[in-house]
Amino acid sequence: ETGVTQTPRHLVMGMTNKKSLKCEQHLGHNAMYWYKQSAKKPLELMFVYNFKEQTENNSVPSRFSPECPNSSHLFLHLHTLQPEDSALYLCASSAGAGNTEAFFGQGTRLTVV
Amino acid sequence: SQQGEEDPQALSIQEGENATMNCSYKTSINNLQWYRQNSGRGLVHLILIRSNEREKHSGRLRVTLDTSKKSSSLLITASRAADTASYFCATSQAGTALIFGKGTTLSVSS
Repeated sequence: ETGVTQTPRHLVMGMTNKKSLKCEQHLGHNAMYWYKQSAKKPLELMFVYNFKEQTENNSVPSRFSPECPNSSHLFLHLHTLQPEDSALYLCASSAGAGNTEAFFGQGTRLTVV
Repeated sequence: SQQGEEDPQALSIQEGENATMNCSYKTSINNLQWYRQNSGRGLVHLILIRSNEREKHSGRLRVTLDTSKKSSSLLITASRAADTASYFCATSQAGTALIFGKGTTLSVSS
């Protein structure tokens, strides 16, 4: 256990569905991240939150909508996804953005049908 | 892009042998980190080396950093079957999120 918990671990959704991924950390970290990992591609940084404020949005389509209600919780709201959005979505946290180690959750394996 | 590029993409060795993976990056960095990922799971931090450091050790791991060549290497000595995983380097500039490379897939057979 890394101290970062992601739910659900697996999710199958249709292209017209709306679902949310949840990430929770109680490590006292101030920075939280969403990464996307597709087969045979490097991890892609999607969003960065620092002290609950979004500081980076890496040209992510609007069908992905992040929410950070407090420094311990991070959500990724999904709607009208495409099959190519199927991937492993990883949440991470760190004490500060980039200058310390990141702790990753186990990921949510998303399949869009 | 400051994205790291690992080399080789895949590496197969026997138990007891050493495994060396390399990482190259493009821009100046604040630090470079190595992570390990077992199949389909989250990444686990292995070691962090700052831009003013040249070498770091942690157990059977040895990391070097050459900022003039913008490269780093990860050496795993006396490898074990349990070391089978994907290994990623990640770089960051001050205050920015980690950017990861494509990774090296290491397979250690007994």
